[in-house]
Amino acid sequence: DAMVIQNPRYQVTQFGKPVTLSCSQTLNHNVMYWYQQKSSQAPKLLFHYYDKDFNNEADTPDNFQSRRPNTSFCFLDIRSPGLGDAAMYLCATSPTDSNQPQHFGDGTRLSIL
Amino acid sequence: GEDVEQSLFLSVREGDSSVINCTYTDSSSTYLYWYKQEPGAGLQLLTYIFSNMDMKQDQRLTVLLNKKDKHLSLRIADTQTGDSAIYFCADSGNTPLVFGKGTRLSVIA
Repeated sequence: DAMVIQNPRYQVTQFGKPVTLSCSQTLNHNVMYWYQQKSSQAPKLLFHYYDKDFNNEADTPDNFQSRRPNTSFCFLDIRSPGLGDAAMYLCATSPTDSNQPQHFGDGTRLSIL
Repeated sequence: GEDVEQSLFLSVREGDSSVINCTYTDSSSTYLYWYKQEPGAGLQLLTYIFSNMDMKQDQRLTVLLNKKDKHLSLRIADTQTGDSAIYFCADSGNTPLVFGKGTRLSVIA
């Protein structure tokens, strides 16, 4: 059974139109991560939540925001998507801190028209 | 900053062993991980090794760690066509994971 679930698997939006990607987990892990992965590249960490504490990576554009209303759910909001934001977005969780394995969802592939 | 390097491509014949290599720079790494990514999918945790271990074996997978040289390898015995994927080495260190660029393994039938 999937433990980190991302919806939808594929998302198409228009240039400049806000979009929200969602992630849920059944693992009861404290930490949730959002990564951006472009073709043939490694995943790039955007931000992570340690419980309710939000940690933004220094080079994450302001266009990207996140919400974590409870332990199970985390959302990625892209306020004004540009063509360069087309990518696979991966959600991951880990039990307590970064020195433990991260468990990934299957990702949402975002296309921008 | 921390860096993780991998060769980008590896091609092997079905039934042979595959060895994917990785080097890292962070000497404070606690765990080192291998993830597998199939086309259009997320990352699947394959195996990981604690930094005070030299070797870990899990069925067809063998991980070797040379901490002195900061070198990690993943050996897949009896490689199958279903092993074709991108394999990422990742280092935990003191920050969230640092990934290598991934090694694309192609298995020739």
